[in-house]
Amino acid sequence: AQSVTQLGSHVSVSEGALVLLRCNYSSSVPPYLFWYVQYPNQGLQLLLKYTSAATLVKGINGFEAEFKKSETSFHLTKPSAHMSDAAEYFCAVSVSAGGTSYGKLTFGQGTILTVHP
Amino acid sequence: DAGVTQSPTHLIKTRGQQVTLRCSPKSGHDTVSWYQQALGQGPQFIFQYYEEEERQRGNFPDRFSGHQFPNYSSELNVNALLLGDSALYLCASSSGTGAGVSEQFFGPGTRLTVL
Repeated sequence: AQSVTQLGSHVSVSEGALVLLRCNYSSSVPPYLFWYVQYPNQGLQLLLKYTSAATLVKGINGFEAEFKKSETSFHLTKPSAHMSDAAEYFCAVSVSAGGTSYGKLTFGQGTILTVHP
Repeated sequence: DAGVTQSPTHLIKTRGQQVTLRCSPKSGHDTVSWYQQALGQGPQFIFQYYEEEERQRGNFPDRFSGHQFPNYSSELNVNALLLGDSALYLCASSSGTGAGVSEQFFGPGTRLTVL
């Protein structure tokens, strides 16, 4: 079985500061990893995904994440926070079966990002 | 493209009642997954439907059941509602065939409140 741990339920940064949201995963087989963002009263939007190609993954809105197998981590970063980045962020893992992922996602608990002016 | 749509947006029920939630997948998608997101928690996988069959199921009791129609739309049914069933129910659609990662697109969710 796979699992995801997001360190820090709340992260607060100043506008223009570095954003770092932490995610560690556990999986007995090579994982696919995802970061989603959820704005209030909305569904989830995919920011980026790792699918065993490049370990540094670039996503939308200036976010990127690096897959580190030795640390079982997939932390999300953004060099300069913007007020519009304030939202809840979820890390998720899916596993492949014969090269195909049916897409069952296991999510972490989420991290609420607050951006101060 | 309308994306994934869900209905209703909000729903209030009382304990013991039954509820049906509906989902229309994104155009071109044939797979629908359902997730339950309790307040302050991450979404939890309920089940997934492909070709009108339940393909995968999470750790949810039999009170939770579903259906997929020939047009790929789906319903989630919950019987004998409990207070703990209060949550945001998310539907996600994807393409169920082919190799590689199948990205899931999420709908806005249905907020269910059980009193």
